[in-house]
Amino acid sequence: ETGVTQTPRHLVMGMTNKKSLKCEQHLGHNAMYWYKQSAKKPLELMFVYNFKEQTENNSVPSRFSPECPNSSHLFLHLHTLQPEDSALYLCASSQDHRRGPGLSQDTQYFGPGTRLTVL
Amino acid sequence: GENVEQHPSTLSVQEGDSAVIKCTYSDSASNYFPWYKQELGKRPQLIIDIRSNVGEKKDQRIAVTLNKTAKHFSLHITETQPEDSAVYFCAAGDDMRFGAGTRLTVKP
Repeated sequence: ETGVTQTPRHLVMGMTNKKSLKCEQHLGHNAMYWYKQSAKKPLELMFVYNFKEQTENNSVPSRFSPECPNSSHLFLHLHTLQPEDSALYLCASSQDHRRGPGLSQDTQYFGPGTRLTVL
Repeated sequence: GENVEQHPSTLSVQEGDSAVIKCTYSDSASNYFPWYKQELGKRPQLIIDIRSNVGEKKDQRIAVTLNKTAKHFSLHITETQPEDSAVYFCAAGDDMRFGAGTRLTVKP
């Protein structure tokens, strides 16, 4: 349960605020992920970092800005968000993230999430 | 990219009965298929996964079957218990597309 931690667990912010979400993994993994989980919608992959390099950005608006200073830490910087951005933001990590035919993914371990409310 | 469909969206069973949740995917190159359980207010947790070199995997009351030809995989829970009540998600593809989830309720 403590392999992947996230802070804060809850965040309320106005549309003009700037805030950051933090994720830390203690599993020695090389890949980290940000997901958005809204009510009545599937988990949506936002960003992927593998060995500190961003490998995927699934058409996420620029008001979400990720940062990965090292393989253990991942941030999501938020600015000028909209009420529809209110959701549970989940971080995950895995040993590696591979792309391409014949390559199998590694198990992802999730953090507890940050419940974000944008007023 | 991958497209994952999950059915049913809700499932209610009596304690002791079996539950089956099915996912279909579109990318024939996908070769890793995990299932996650998410209890209310908690993080998704992996309960079982299967890779494309096997057709079935079992762990106590939980099993996953994979049909690569038909591009679908299923979660089977036998002898269900009230603590199995949760939302279950499947996933597939390089970009880990998740299904929409199945809310399972096990009635005592």
